[in-house]
Amino acid sequence: GAGVSQSPRYKVTKRGQDVALRCDPISGHVSLYWYRQALGQGPEFLTYFNYEAQQDKSGLPNDRFSAERPEGSISTLTIQRTEQRDSAMYRCASSLAVARVTDTQYFGPGTRLTVL
Amino acid sequence: SQQGEEDPQALSIQEGENATMNCSYKTSINNLQWYRQNSGRGLVHLILIRSNEREKHSGRLRVTLDTSKKSSSLLITASRAADTASYFCAINTGFQKLVFGTGTRLLVSP
Repeated sequence: GAGVSQSPRYKVTKRGQDVALRCDPISGHVSLYWYRQALGQGPEFLTYFNYEAQQDKSGLPNDRFSAERPEGSISTLTIQRTEQRDSAMYRCASSLAVARVTDTQYFGPGTRLTVL
Repeated sequence: SQQGEEDPQALSIQEGENATMNCSYKTSINNLQWYRQNSGRGLVHLILIRSNEREKHSGRLRVTLDTSKKSSSLLITASRAADTASYFCAINTGFQKLVFGTGTRLLVSP
């Protein structure tokens, strides 16, 4: 596609439910990133992949959060047993190559998650 | 935690005026990037400046970088109402992930 796409755009769930957020990167982009953005703040890094390999998951808040990219393209961020504090905008980004100094990350529109 | 801090937090100007926003950070960097976020939209990449560059231009945007002071500035010249948005700096320390600042909210009034 022309840009990074994310689905759903909006997700409302009840506390305790599991949610899966999907990211479809720009075709051919090797690296994929997940960020979380609270209202009025800048995005905060969660995790990233090069191809299908998860390189860094240091930003995941706890073990309820997990991500996968099994075929090196589409990625899913899963939050188990959601809590109200998980409410935020979840943003995905992709970049063309691996670890180039000048590589630009292109962001998707985000998924707004609300946990009631 | 966010390592970048933008200043000011909010800026209100008239169309045609210039807008300057600043970013300070704490670590060594490979590059520094500026992004714009319009209300209800995604993050749009504006410009990237490498650690060995001091100034870069793109259209009405001018970015400077002072690595000795660990600071950067973004200048938007001849602002337009469409420039109304939040602007974020993001630093790349060489590990692919970006560390974003807290953002400057710019309001350009007609």
